[in-house]
Amino acid sequence: KAGVTQTPRYLIKTRGQQVTLSCSPISGHRSVSWYQQTPGQGLQFLFEYFSETQRNKGNFPGRFSGRQFSNSRSEMNVSTLELGDSALYLCASSLGTGSASYYEQYFGPGTRLTVT
Amino acid sequence: AQSVTQLGSHVSVSEGALVLLRCNYSSSVPPYLFWYVQYPNQGLQLLLKYTSAATLVKGINGFEAEFKKSETSFHLTKPSAHMSDAAEYFCAVSFIGANSKLTFGKGITLSVRP
Repeated sequence: KAGVTQTPRYLIKTRGQQVTLSCSPISGHRSVSWYQQTPGQGLQFLFEYFSETQRNKGNFPGRFSGRQFSNSRSEMNVSTLELGDSALYLCASSLGTGSASYYEQYFGPGTRLTVT
Repeated sequence: AQSVTQLGSHVSVSEGALVLLRCNYSSSVPPYLFWYVQYPNQGLQLLLKYTSAATLVKGINGFEAEFKKSETSFHLTKPSAHMSDAAEYFCAVSFIGANSKLTFGKGITLSVRP
């Protein structure tokens, strides 16, 4: 079974631009979560989508948005990029939502975004 | 609010030595606790999880962790370190009602000396 795939793996953008990252979950998984990983702040939860609906949102500005399609694939968008947005963005998928203890999350390799 | 504290950012052990990675949590409701491992240029992999069943949890690759409510701890151990254990380790907390949201600690880098 193929794992979680994220595209692109590496991205370089300029301040002020916008970027879209893509995540394809494991086949059959309906929940997709996004995390930002930086050396200073560590791993921080961005948002979770289940059945095309945002179920949970972290403490990030409105420049960060996401969506989920009917095939469970998800995209996240960051508008008006800032230098501080440079990070590894991780996507995780699980069969369902409702309890992190019940539905194991499988993480993708991440997209490394560098903002210059 | 839930939080996790991982003291120290780096632990170095000799191959064959005991591995002990510390994690303390803060939660106003019964927590679910997790340990993840991240190898370079890879995503996170679940090592083990505590979900209020047994307090001693066994995971993959010979790792185990013990939930101690009185100490609000969930330390990760492995009796004998292997070179392949060198990676970054994250402790995380969740709770019922949080859906899939995990709150992670800062992570600890484990180095294994030959």
